[in-house]
Amino acid sequence: ETGVTQTPRHLVMGMTNKKSLKCEQHLGHNAMYWYKQSAKKPLELMFVYNFKEQTENNSVPSRFSPECPNSSHLFLHLHTLQPEDSALYLCASSQGPGALSYGYTFGSGTRLTVV
Amino acid sequence: AQTVTQSQPEMSVQEAETVTLSCTYDTSESDYYLFWYKQPPSRQMILVIRQEAYKQQNATENRFSVNFQKAAKSFSLKISDSQLGDAAMYFCAYRSAPMETSGSRLTFGEGTQLTVNP
Repeated sequence: ETGVTQTPRHLVMGMTNKKSLKCEQHLGHNAMYWYKQSAKKPLELMFVYNFKEQTENNSVPSRFSPECPNSSHLFLHLHTLQPEDSALYLCASSQGPGALSYGYTFGSGTRLTVV
Repeated sequence: AQTVTQSQPEMSVQEAETVTLSCTYDTSESDYYLFWYKQPPSRQMILVIRQEAYKQQNATENRFSVNFQKAAKSFSLKISDSQLGDAAMYFCAYRSAPMETSGSRLTFGEGTQLTVNP
């Protein structure tokens, strides 16, 4: 049990499909994040939510649409993706700005393949 | 913007030996936090060790220790008595200290793939 659970673990989708990634944490954390991890590249921050409010969108294309209904759940809705969007998508949570000395708690990621 | 650089894409070490992974960063801030994360084949990122920039003493967690050189903006990770289970991708990360929410992001390096040979 990692504390942060991501589903599904693997996802294959066509470019015209619509799918959603789910992330759930019950650690009492206030902040949640989506990262994209591609081969040979540093992790790219996509979105930041703090107390359910989006505080950062790192110039992510609109085909990625995040949703944070509460502090424990985070979704990433996907539509009309491109093959270059294939990557490992990692969700993380943290206690927010008041606990900066702590890092994040990560999920195991969703391996997304766009065909 | 802060940047984190890991100049060693791959490293290998013999079991029971010691290995050092390098990390440098660029920042204009004086107060921040540095982290090393481990990502095994299970894909989950696991926090290995963290260092507060205002502390001069190097952090230590069992077989893991860091060499933090603030002036040189260097933050290397030393793994002593390497074990097969240490094989993983290791990421160095930087986090700003300002209290604004936008300052809480973690910036990662490219990673170093560590192989432990039996």
